[in-house]
Amino acid sequence: ELKVEQNPLFLSMQEGKNYTIYCNYSTTSDRLYWYRQDPGKSLESLFVLLSNGAVKQEGRLMASLDTKARLSTLHITAAVHDLSATYFCAASVRRGNYQLIWGAGTKLIIKP
Amino acid sequence: SQTIHQWPATLVQPVGSPLSLECTVEGTSNPNLYWYRQAAGRGLQLLFYSVGIGQISSEVPQNLSASRPQDRQFILSSKKLLLSDSGFYLCAWGGYLAGGPKDTQYFGPGTRLTVL
Repeated sequence: ELKVEQNPLFLSMQEGKNYTIYCNYSTTSDRLYWYRQDPGKSLESLFVLLSNGAVKQEGRLMASLDTKARLSTLHITAAVHDLSATYFCAASVRRGNYQLIWGAGTKLIIKP
Repeated sequence: SQTIHQWPATLVQPVGSPLSLECTVEGTSNPNLYWYRQAAGRGLQLLFYSVGIGQISSEVPQNLSASRPQDRQFILSSKKLLLSDSGFYLCAWGGYLAGGPKDTQYFGPGTRLTVL
C-alpha cells in the first residue's frame, strides 16, 4: 500500500533563507504532485513531476523527483512572506482509476 | 477553460440534521470527481470518487453518501449529521488539462461545515 510522508510538518523561517521540504513515498508511483493551500482556502496545483530526475521551477520554488529513492523535494530559495502556506505532496496510484495518496502537509511560516 | 463550483461556501448545521453539498464542473466532459474532507489543521481524507454517472466508490465507511446524477455534478449527502462531520469539504475533478496527466486533480473553493 502506498504511503506518503512529508517532513517537516511545520517550518518557521526568516525571509531570505533557503529551505527544503521532503516527501517520501513507500512504493512505486507514476507521478508526484505538489500543491499549495493558503489558510482557509482550497488547494492549488503547483507542480507535476512525471519521471525520474524531473525538475520543475516556478519563481522561488523548485521541485524535483528521484524515483529510485522514492523522494521528492520542494526547495524554497530566498523565501518571502508571500510563500507562507501549507504545502502538500501527493503520489499517484492506480486503483481502478487514478487516485492521489496525500502527505500530511507542511505548514510553512515565513517571518519578515 | 475549466472551472469547478461548490456551494454553499459555509454551512452551520445542528447535529442530526440532513446535509447536501453540491459540486459542478464546467468546461470538461467525463471528469473523475472526488470528495475530500479536511479537519482543521489536518491533511486530506478521500471520501468518495466517481468515474462516471451513477458510479460511486466509497473510501471510508461513515454516515455520508455521494451521488453523481449528471456527468459534471457531484453531490455529498447525509441523512443525520454528527459532530465529527465538521470540516472543510473539497470537491476536485481529475482529467486532462493542457496535455497534463489525467490523474491531476483540480480543487473547488470548498465548503466549510460546522456541526453544532
